[in-house]
Amino acid sequence: NAGVTQTPKFQVLKTGQSMTLQCAQDMNHNSMYWYRQDPGMGLRLIYYSASEGTTDKGEVPNGYNVSRLNKREFSLRLESAAPSQTSVYFCASSDGNWNTEAFFGQGTRLTVV
Amino acid sequence: GENVEQHPSTLSVQEGDSAVIKCTYSDSASNYFPWYKQELGKRPQLIIDIRSNVGEKKDQRIAVTLNKTAKHFSLHITETQPEDSAVYFCAASTGGYQKVTFGIGTKLQVIP
Repeated sequence: NAGVTQTPKFQVLKTGQSMTLQCAQDMNHNSMYWYRQDPGMGLRLIYYSASEGTTDKGEVPNGYNVSRLNKREFSLRLESAAPSQTSVYFCASSDGNWNTEAFFGQGTRLTVV
Repeated sequence: GENVEQHPSTLSVQEGDSAVIKCTYSDSASNYFPWYKQELGKRPQLIIDIRSNVGEKKDQRIAVTLNKTAKHFSLHITETQPEDSAVYFCAASTGGYQKVTFGIGTKLQVIP
């Protein structure tokens, strides 16, 4: 059971480049999330998908787009990367019901130069 | 929206001592309060959670207390060990579609 899998683990981009972070979960969870983690800022929600076919903005959505491709997959796209987007990105999923533990992927360390 | 404040941001304790991390939340509708532990370079993982119909929950050396009136909850770790060294995040959720708001984290260092 792989849980939540993110790719890539590391990435360096030049300012203005675009890229997509991939996330897949095999736990049949309804809800999926993208967070960014910066020193002293905790985990901040970028976008979330409460269920297949829906997406909503979180706390820091500017500069990002998401796609809930199907129930398993939730991707995060940076259209024009900026140095301020240098961060560690975590994808997570939960079953969306009363048992609400969120399971995290291993993270993507992104550096924009 | 929900706002979760967590303190202290860093905490050093001697091995064997207790550690306490405190969080407050703003939305009285929040009903689920998980705590996550993140070891260096690893992903956050749930260590304990509490729901609003319970005042206290224990799991071996870890306990969490909830005061709904004051809107605060705390993590207590007893008999700390070096492997407890990590960053701990509290969080609050109103349930439903499971949008969870995290605190900024507490870096716990257990000194052998």
